[in-house]
Amino acid sequence: KAGVTQTPRYLIKTRGQQVTLSCSPISGHRSVSWYQQTPGQGLQFLFEYFSETQRNKGNFPGRFSGRQFSNSRSEMNVSTLELGDSALYLCASSLGLTTDTQYFGPGTRLTVL
Amino acid sequence: GQNIDQPTEMTATEGAIVQINCTYQTSGFNGLFWYQQHAGEAPTFLSYNVLDGLEEKGRFSSFLSRSKGYSYLLLKELQMKDSASYLCAVGDSTLTFGKGTMLLVSP
Repeated sequence: KAGVTQTPRYLIKTRGQQVTLSCSPISGHRSVSWYQQTPGQGLQFLFEYFSETQRNKGNFPGRFSGRQFSNSRSEMNVSTLELGDSALYLCASSLGLTTDTQYFGPGTRLTVL
Repeated sequence: GQNIDQPTEMTATEGAIVQINCTYQTSGFNGLFWYQQHAGEAPTFLSYNVLDGLEEKGRFSSFLSRSKGYSYLLLKELQMKDSASYLCAVGDSTLTFGKGTMLLVSP
């Protein structure tokens, strides 16, 4: 079974721009969660989508948004990029229960200049 | 809210045993996960505990005490490839991660 895939793997943007990241979950998984990972803060939860609905949201500003499609693929968007948005963005998929194991994709490394 | 504490760094030698501790204070609890993350790679799942006690899986074991808000990951017969960051995560409605313990295994 193919794992979680994320595109693009690397991205360089400038302040004020917007960016869209994509995540394809493991086949059969209906939940996709997004995380931001930085050296100082570690892995921080952004949001979770299940059956095209946002089920949970972390403590991030409204510039961070996401959506999920009927095939469970998910995208996250960051608008008006700031230098502090430079991070590794990871998505993880699971079957859907909160006790289910989450499996991570390789991440998208975003650099904001 | 959730608060999860782990040591920042640990060192050990090849062939040894190391125990990585994790303490947590959380408003809800559906289980505790351990993940391994090598530099530049995605976290990979190691173990899941929901009941008190020890879960053994090969060279890795994980222990949970819900009453004490405490877990540990035990790595035996350490190998160089075990050098990585080990992340403790508590499941509630979402998964909350500790900041990770960087383990360095030396020859």
